[in-house]
Amino acid sequence: DQQVKQNSPSLSVQEGRISILNCDYTNSMFDYFLWYKKYPAEGPTFLISISSIKDKNEDGRFTVFLNKSAKHLSLHIVPSQPGDSAVYFCAASANTDKLIFGTGTRLQVFP
Amino acid sequence: DVKVTQSSRYLVKRTGEKVFLECVQDMDHENMFWYRQDPGLGLRLIYFSYDVKMKEKGDIPEGYSVSREKKERFSLILESASTNQTSMYLCASSSPLPRTANYGYTFGSGTRLTVV
Repeated sequence: DQQVKQNSPSLSVQEGRISILNCDYTNSMFDYFLWYKKYPAEGPTFLISISSIKDKNEDGRFTVFLNKSAKHLSLHIVPSQPGDSAVYFCAASANTDKLIFGTGTRLQVFP
Repeated sequence: DVKVTQSSRYLVKRTGEKVFLECVQDMDHENMFWYRQDPGLGLRLIYFSYDVKMKEKGDIPEGYSVSREKKERFSLILESASTNQTSMYLCASSSPLPRTANYGYTFGSGTRLTVV
């Protein structure tokens, strides 16, 4: 049973526009969410996180929004840049040391 | 710069071979994890360890075992490699709860294993 779902396997966005990556979860016990970015042949790197007590967290061009009632979070990248082209994983934690990952969304930013 | 180091970037092994994937972290983290990444399936947890000599099965432990004799080293063992174990293998480490500003995993660069 996939507790964290990223229903869009891929997304293509023009440079300078907004990229919106979505993530849905089923476990109401999740209280912390993270986004990781992965380039080919490299390990994932941490991007941004949000606690369930918040509904928004911002870091430069990256903003994560959390809608607890809908069990939905999204990552906004504004403006998108070619270097943002990567696979993005959302992850969730239910107050444990273990993260549950989604299946990933491949973002391509074209000129 | 803190690091999780995986011993090999690329490996090619034959079916039936015993394969060792090594992971070393220099952050004094208690927790260590092994994942595999496959297209369309995301990151799936194979095994994890919260302490030396301690291990717990993840979601897909079949065909794998692990060893953690020292805090900084976590090894993944494929007892008898099969072609369906061809994958990208990722090691990660983390500090235990409670959450701090550094909560989350630090990943290694991955090992691309091909079993022929």
